[in-house]
Amino acid sequence: AQSVTQLGSHVSVSEGALVLLRCNYSSSVPPYLFWYVQYPNQGLQLLLKYTSAATLVKGINGFEAEFKKSETSFHLTKPSAHMSDAAEYFCAVMPPGGFKTIFGAGTRLFVKA
Amino acid sequence: EADIYQTPRYLVIGTGKKITLECSQTMGHDKMYWYQQDPGMELHLIHYSYGVNSTEKGDLSSESTVSRIRTEHFPLTLESARPSHTSQYLCASSEDQGYDGYTFGSGTRLTVV
Repeated sequence: AQSVTQLGSHVSVSEGALVLLRCNYSSSVPPYLFWYVQYPNQGLQLLLKYTSAATLVKGINGFEAEFKKSETSFHLTKPSAHMSDAAEYFCAVMPPGGFKTIFGAGTRLFVKA
Repeated sequence: EADIYQTPRYLVIGTGKKITLECSQTMGHDKMYWYQQDPGMELHLIHYSYGVNSTEKGDLSSESTVSRIRTEHFPLTLESARPSHTSQYLCASSEDQGYDGYTFGSGTRLTVV
């Protein structure tokens, strides 16, 4: 069965520092992978997606993620954190057949001035 | 503007009441979903729909029911609310199998007292 694990329920960085949010998945075949962001009192918004076209995926707001099959990972990064990046981030996996998406427990990102 | 709408945003209701959470989308998506979100937990799929007159229970057991009489409308009903139903409910939709990700509504935060 598909599953996704996000390492660290909370991550705190200083403004201007590198952001690294970790995500590992379990799947017998490479799935479709997604990162979503949720701001307070809002729904989830798609940040980026991996659909086997390229291992390094660029998303909105300067975020990117790299698919590493050997490590079954899909970590999210941003070179320089901004205060507006403070939010909760969810990694998600969908099996190759599509349809039902499984979400991780989320990582809350705090950005210190 | 194409979007997905959930009403109400917040609801406080007494035990035993019947409630319906509304979800409507203007994108013409066939696939729609209801997720339950609790702090620090994975989003859990409670219901989904392939299209009109098609509904399925998700991976998390739920006492709620759904209907899909029109493509754009996917309401969720609780016949008799209990405190254990207190949670955030997120509605989402996708084009085709969801390879491009989901579009989420802003959610309904339900409190049963």
